[in-house]
Parts: sequence; structure tokens; C-alpha cells
Amino acid sequence: DAKTTQPTSMDCAEGRAANLPCNHSTISGNEYVYWYRQIHSQGPQYIIHGLKNNETNEMASLIITEDRKSSTLILPHATLRDTAVYYCIVRSSNFGNEKLTFGTGTRLTIIP
Amino acid sequence: GAGVSQSPSNKVTEKGKDVELRCDPISGHTALYWYRQSLGQGLEFLIYFQGNSAPDKSGLPSDRFSAERTGGSVSTLTIQRTQQEDSAVYLCASSSGHRTSPLHFGNGTRLTVT
Repeated sequence: DAKTTQPTSMDCAEGRAANLPCNHSTISGNEYVYWYRQIHSQGPQYIIHGLKNNETNEMASLIITEDRKSSTLILPHATLRDTAVYYCIVRSSNFGNEKLTFGTGTRLTIIP
Repeated sequence: GAGVSQSPSNKVTEKGKDVELRCDPISGHTALYWYRQSLGQGLEFLIYFQGNSAPDKSGLPSDRFSAERTGGSVSTLTIQRTQQEDSAVYLCASSSGHRTSPLHFGNGTRLTVT
């Protein structure tokens, strides 16, 4: 799977939009971008995923650049409960390669 | 609906003892994954089951580790002759089995080997 690069840590003020960047310059055509987060002492929580179109759900929006070499996860109105480690993962859609490979993620801290 | 359930939530064992960790996936999910996370570290893939196919065991760190999935549902991860370096949180995830369906994780079993 393609490697991703994320900032180690970020801060965001409560109530503001949190924009988490991810670089995946070696992504291939059949690889999707997934975002997960992990709150302390819990298992990773699925947020959103996409291939090339922008995606939105009740948790977040995912913006993928046209060349697909980078993406941004947007939490529109961050709350203190959004403090977590956020993982950007590129995952193959080929049969037999469905496992997720986690990197070190971005530690997002929401500031009151 | 119910999510992925793991038991026990915490397990303390003595070095050299065997342990079994259980995972109940989301009902109807055909794919099941085991990961582990050592303190302050990222998630490390261990093993993957998909339907009746042979499991992908490529992440198991040694032959002391094994896993099985009975009846295509519940899975048990067994660690024989535990060592202190086996101390970690063991996480189970399941998915519907479609190639792009997301994994849904349980909250893990925290294993401490003394």
C-alpha cells in the first residue's frame, strides 16, 4: 500500500473547522483513502473514505485533490470530543489486500 | 446495532502461561482482522480471515501466536508461552467483506504479561 505522510500534531480551537492534511503521492489508481481516529483507550473509529470524488457524511468531509496525491479531512465544527489521533490510510481495493496499514497519524488537540 | 465485542477487556497473566482472547464480530460480517497496539505505538496487523478462504497470517510475530474463526463468526486469538513483550492492546475488527467496506474495531483486550 502507498505510504502516507501526516503532521505529527495539530491544535484547533473549539467550534472552528479542523483541517487535517495527508500526502499520499505514490497512490495508485485502485487505492482508496480512508480516515480513522482513535480516542484514548478505544479502538480506531472509522470516519470516511473516498477514491477521487469529495465525500461528506455526518462526521466529516474528505477533499481529495484532482491528482489524488493528497487529501484533507475536515471536521466542520470541532468539539473537545474530537481530540484524538487521526490516521490517513491508503488501502488497495484488490482482493486479498484489504487489510489497513496504520501509520503514526496526527494527534489533534481541540483547545477550549 | 451491536458493534465488535471483545473479551476480556483486560487480562493479566504470568510469563509462560497461555492466553485466549475472544472477538465477536458484527453480525453478518464475513471479514475479521486482528491487530495489536503496544504502548504508544501504532497498530500492527496480525491476521485476517475472509469467509472460507485461507487466512492471511503474514502479520503473526511468531509461532506462539495463532488464531481461529469458528463457524465464520467468533474468533479466538491464542498466545502460547506468553512473554513480557506480548503486553499490548489486542484489537479485533470486522467488515462486510466487500473490497472497500470499512473495518469496524472493538475496544480491544489489554494484555499485561508479568
